[in-house]
Amino acid sequence: KQEVTQIPAALSVPEGENLVLNCSFTDSAIYNLQWFRQDPGKGLTSLLLIQSSQREQTSGRLNASLDKSSGRSTLYIAASQPGDSATYLCAVRLNTDKLIFGTGTRLQVFP
Amino acid sequence: GAVVSQHPSWVICKSGTSVKIECRSLDFQATTMFWYRQFPKQSLMLMATSNEGSKATYEQGVEKDKFLINHASLTLSTLTVTSAHPEDSSFYICSAREGAGENNEQFFGPGTRLTVL
Repeated sequence: KQEVTQIPAALSVPEGENLVLNCSFTDSAIYNLQWFRQDPGKGLTSLLLIQSSQREQTSGRLNASLDKSSGRSTLYIAASQPGDSATYLCAVRLNTDKLIFGTGTRLQVFP
Repeated sequence: GAVVSQHPSWVICKSGTSVKIECRSLDFQATTMFWYRQFPKQSLMLMATSNEGSKATYEQGVEKDKFLINHASLTLSTLTVTSAHPEDSSFYICSAREGAGENNEQFFGPGTRLTVL
């Protein structure tokens, strides 16, 4: 059974810091991996999708890497801003079509 | 980008009543739609997967007679919580996908907050 874990569970940092959020999964047979952002009481916003054949994706200040063999992905946020405060979720897509979500990292960036 | 809407955004109902939540793909045809629920400070748990014109496939532990899913068209899926009870109070999120290939993402709706009194 695929399990997805995110570390840390919560993170509070001052504005301007570079951050690394971690995601680990137990079964490397994934179709792709996706990082999402969720604001309180809201739905999900897709940030980055990494296909199983790729090792990283970049969008603006965000960079996500994928190491299938070790079952790990990291989301790197450069020069964090208060507007980055949210919960970040990673999710792996199985070959069976399902998305399995991680436990989430609650990020707070203070001015 | 692809847009998925949900209606209503929030609903409060009395115990024992049924509640219907709609999920619509606004600018694409969704061959597959997914329903998730999320408890406070927890992650999303998949409830069921539905393909247009077919019966939904429910995850283990999800009662299909309680959570009725209808995916009658390529742009609309509905989730009906029948005889709702306080323990059904949760945040329900749908997602929709146009195809099944590796490049086809799930696009998520804004969620529906259900509170059962």
